This record gives sequence, structure tokens and C-alpha cells, in this order.
Amino acid sequence: GAGVSQSPRYKVAKRGQDVALRCDPISGHVSLFWYQQALGQGPEFLTYFQNEAQLDKSGLPSDRFFAERPEGSVSTLKIQRTQQEDSAVYLCASSLAQGALIQYFGAGTRLSVL
Amino acid sequence: AQTVTQSQPEMSVQEAETVTLSCTYDTSENNYYLFWYKQPPSRQMILVIRQEAYKQQNATENRFSVNFQKAAKSFSLKISDSQLGDTAMYFCAFILTPGGATNKLIFGTGTLLAVQP
Repeated sequence: GAGVSQSPRYKVAKRGQDVALRCDPISGHVSLFWYQQALGQGPEFLTYFQNEAQLDKSGLPSDRFFAERPEGSVSTLKIQRTQQEDSAVYLCASSLAQGALIQYFGAGTRLSVL
Repeated sequence: AQTVTQSQPEMSVQEAETVTLSCTYDTSENNYYLFWYKQPPSRQMILVIRQEAYKQQNATENRFSVNFQKAAKSFSLKISDSQLGDTAMYFCAFILTPGGATNKLIFGTGTLLAVQP
């Protein structure tokens, strides 16, 4: 596609519900990143994929967070048993190759946990 | 630990004037890249300008330029001839290089710039 696409754009969940956030990277991009942006803060790294391999998940805040990219293109970030502190914008970014410096961002999914 | 500090939460500038956004960072590494990203209300991060740490010459991109002071670990962004469309949140960020590392971006907390007509 022309750019990184994320869906849904907004998600409201009740505390305890599971949610799944989708990211469609730019076609052909090898690297994919997830970031979490709390209100009034800068994005913080969650996890990184090179093709289908999850090479770094050091930023995932708890074992309730899980990400996958099974075919090396679309990625899904899943949050189980959501809590209020999970409320944030979740940004996805892709880059052309491993080591590529320029990351292209999607518009994010704003998650509100009530 | 690698950190980025943006000490100006908000700034305002008149259209057509010049404004400078401050950024300092902390890393013990010698090789890294620095970036300024713009985030308008649409939320999509847009790369404004980047600087390689090994280059002494300051990067310039049209109306945007940086003042990179490696010894001071300072990386400010100057916007000349400010336009209404420059209104956005601006984030300073860096990546440690190279290969084997994740190339994750480390962001500051941002500066909200308002361009006034």
C-alpha cells in the first residue's frame, strides 16, 4: 500500500476485555515496529519484527501484551484483560530493511479502556 | 541509559517568523542518528530532518535546520518562515547504530508548537 495502515482508528474497551490492533505496513518493508504513546508523552518502543521473526520484545510491559506477524507482512498487537493503564495510542511503523534508518508511521489506534 | 529531553512543553510563534526547539540527549554510544519528527493532530508521525552523529555539518531541509552540538549532546531544530501548517507536536528522537540492534527510536516528550496567524 501507499502508507502504513492501522485499524481500528479508535477502540473503546471495557476493563478486562481482550483487544486486537492491526497494522498493514508498506508493501515490501521488512522491519516492523510497535510503539505505545501515552497521553502527553512521546512514543515508547514495544516490539520489533524482521519479517515474521520477533527479534525484540523488550518493551512489552507485561505478559498480557502479545504481537505477531505470521506471514511477514500484516502484524497484530493483542492485549489481553485490558486495564485502564493500557489506554494510549498504539503506533505501528515499518522500514524497508534491517538497519534502515527511516521509519514510516501509521496514524495509530487510540485505545480507551473504561 | 539512553534518554531524550525536550524542556519546552509548548511554544508559540508568529507566522513567517523563526522559532527554535530545544533537545538534549544522553547516550554513552558514539554512533547514532538523531531525528526530528512532526506529529500533527492526525497523529501520523512525519520525519522532518535527520542528522548523522559522525557528521559535523548541520543538516538542512528547506525551512528546517538543526544545530547539532555533539559534545554538549544538544540537537535543536530551527524552523524559518513559520507556516500555519507547521502547527504540530515535535518530537526529538535518536537511534543507536548499527546492525544487530533493533533500530528502535527513543523519543523525547515533545514540544507543542503553535503558529499564530
